[in-house]
Amino acid sequence: KNEVEQSPQNLTAQEGEFITINCSYSVGISALHWLQQHPGGGIVSLFMLSSGKKKHGRLIATINIQEKHSSLHITASHPRDSAVYICAVASYGGSQGNLIFGKGTKLSVKP
Amino acid sequence: DTAVSQTPKYLVTQMGNDKSIKCEQNLGHDTMYWYKQDSKKFLKIMFSYNNKELIINETVPNRFSPKSPDKAHLNLHINSLELGDSAVYFCASSQVSLAGGFGWGTDTQYFGPGTRLTVL
Repeated sequence: KNEVEQSPQNLTAQEGEFITINCSYSVGISALHWLQQHPGGGIVSLFMLSSGKKKHGRLIATINIQEKHSSLHITASHPRDSAVYICAVASYGGSQGNLIFGKGTKLSVKP
Repeated sequence: DTAVSQTPKYLVTQMGNDKSIKCEQNLGHDTMYWYKQDSKKFLKIMFSYNNKELIINETVPNRFSPKSPDKAHLNLHINSLELGDSAVYFCASSQVSLAGGFGWGTDTQYFGPGTRLTVL
């Protein structure tokens, strides 16, 4: 079992729909990252959070440390949101720590 | 101005060759990373350098050797390339300094565009 699990693996939505992508992890963490990988391959950091909630435009990320769970929400989805969304956690490990990635959620938003 | 740049963007080579991928960041960050994304799009960290010092070296064959001539550059040299090395390699940087081993992964990371390596 992976230490970072994302669901769903694939998601197709109609333009305008509210979208939720989930991330569960099984290790102690110091931070959680949400990344977006565009169809062209480029990776952009969307959020880094260690508690609570963050909002940027139509994107909202929440984390529940007790439940070891984070969600990424997209409101009023648009075809340009089509991408792979990756959850990654900075875990406590050894003397340096580790950054562990989920397998990604492929989102396709249809016009 | 490109924040994190990598060269080359594409690299096609034969098995057994030695190749290098260069990475430069102009953000003034203290920490740089190399990641590998396999054919299933799964990202995994390979190395991390903080102020030219190796901080993290995950289970990577010693054919892979990172070199950091200064804080703004982290190059990846690969010896005796194998078919399984084919992947996309991403360089990234972040501001946080990892002195004392704390703070790892607790700062936003900025990624380069990736280098697609194909070993024939």
